[in-house]
Amino acid sequence: AQKITQTQPGMFVQEKEAVTLDCTYDTSDPSYGLFWYKQPSSGEMIFLIYQGSYDQQNATEGRYSLNFQKARKSANLVISASQLGDSAMYFCAIRGSGGSNYKLTFGKGTLLTVNP
Amino acid sequence: DAEITQSPRHKITETGRQVTLACHQTWNHNNMFWYRQDLGHGLRLIHYSYGVQDTNKGEVSDGYSVSRSNTEDLPLTLESAASSQTSVYFCASSVGLAGGQETQYFGPGTRLLVL
Repeated sequence: AQKITQTQPGMFVQEKEAVTLDCTYDTSDPSYGLFWYKQPSSGEMIFLIYQGSYDQQNATEGRYSLNFQKARKSANLVISASQLGDSAMYFCAIRGSGGSNYKLTFGKGTLLTVNP
Repeated sequence: DAEITQSPRHKITETGRQVTLACHQTWNHNNMFWYRQDLGHGLRLIHYSYGVQDTNKGEVSDGYSVSRSNTEDLPLTLESAASSQTSVYFCASSVGLAGGQETQYFGPGTRLLVL
């Protein structure tokens, strides 16, 4: 079984500052993938960034980067230069390997508020 | 453009009624998933399908069923709606190629209220 823990129910950040959202995971799969999704107040789920367990480098997508520490089983999302539009719920998720294991297990999310 | 749609977007029903939520994707993805989102629980997997005629139970499948008769659609049926099934329901799909990233893309969600 896989598990995602997001220990920060809510986070606040000032506009233009960087913020780190924590995610730790538990899995017994030798190969796995980690995802971050954003859910704004409008409700849709938006894919942000992906990190494969065997990727040599930390993933980056624009202002989003993933601080992947495999030994610590953590996959923290870093948002640089926060914008008001970054205010949203953020979910970390894990996909295992083996056969056709395409399922995602989600954490409970972190609500980020960006203050002007 | 390819997309994934859900209908209805909002639904109010009564306890005991059968309800079907539709999910349609034009990505030609093999995999389709149904999740429910409740405050404090994140997203939990209800049912999923890896291809036509394939369906599997997820973490919270009791009281729900799905069928996959074609690639594009995975309708979710609540056999006898209960107030505990009041939730926001999301459908998602992914390509379904072994060894790939397998990002799931989500529909806009359906808000269901069971009275």
